[in-house]
Amino acid sequence: NAGVMQNPRHLVRRRGQEARLRCSPMKGHSHVYWYRQLPEEGLKFMVYLQKENIIDESGMPKERFSAEFPKEGPSILRIQQVVRGDSAAYFCASSPPNRGFIYNEQFFGPGTRLTVL
Amino acid sequence: GENVEQHPSTLSVQEGDSAVIKCTYSDSASNYFPWYKQELGKRPQLIIDIRSNVGEKKDQRIAVTLNKTAKHFSLHITETQPEDSAVYFCAAPTGANSKLTFGKGITLSVRP
Repeated sequence: NAGVMQNPRHLVRRRGQEARLRCSPMKGHSHVYWYRQLPEEGLKFMVYLQKENIIDESGMPKERFSAEFPKEGPSILRIQQVVRGDSAAYFCASSPPNRGFIYNEQFFGPGTRLTVL
Repeated sequence: GENVEQHPSTLSVQEGDSAVIKCTYSDSASNYFPWYKQELGKRPQLIIDIRSNVGEKKDQRIAVTLNKTAKHFSLHITETQPEDSAVYFCAAPTGANSKLTFGKGITLSVRP
């Protein structure tokens, strides 16, 4: 059972370009979470998605950032018109479907390190 | 929302000694508390977690204890080894959905 996959592992963009980050959850997992980690800081929640639904996007910046998890294919985090402050490691995590109020473990992918020049 | 804090921010121990890392949370409704280990340049890895219906959980050299009344939980590592050197993050779920709020992390250094 392959773990959470993310690509690319490293992404370099110039200011104003678009960045697309992909995440394939573990087999059997239907929940995807995106987190951002700035250098020497903790993980900040961005968005929580299930297939074809955004459940919670309270951590997403209001502009330039969007996320989707289509019925087929990976989840995509899209950053338009990138700025230097977007440089960070972006991690996705996946978990299996919730069982009522029993909370499920989240397993992280290797991350995409975005550098904006 | 949930507020998760970790203390101290750095911890240095001698190889073989024990290390204890404490985490506090604010939402009394939280019922799941994971600990993640992150080595430099790597992904966060879930190393142990505890649910609110138990007070302690062990897995070989690591253990987690939970005090719901005081709203804190701690990671205990015994017989530390150099490979335990990493950043350790605690987390707690926020609200009705599944997002996690993470602490800022503690850098553990194990001196050989």
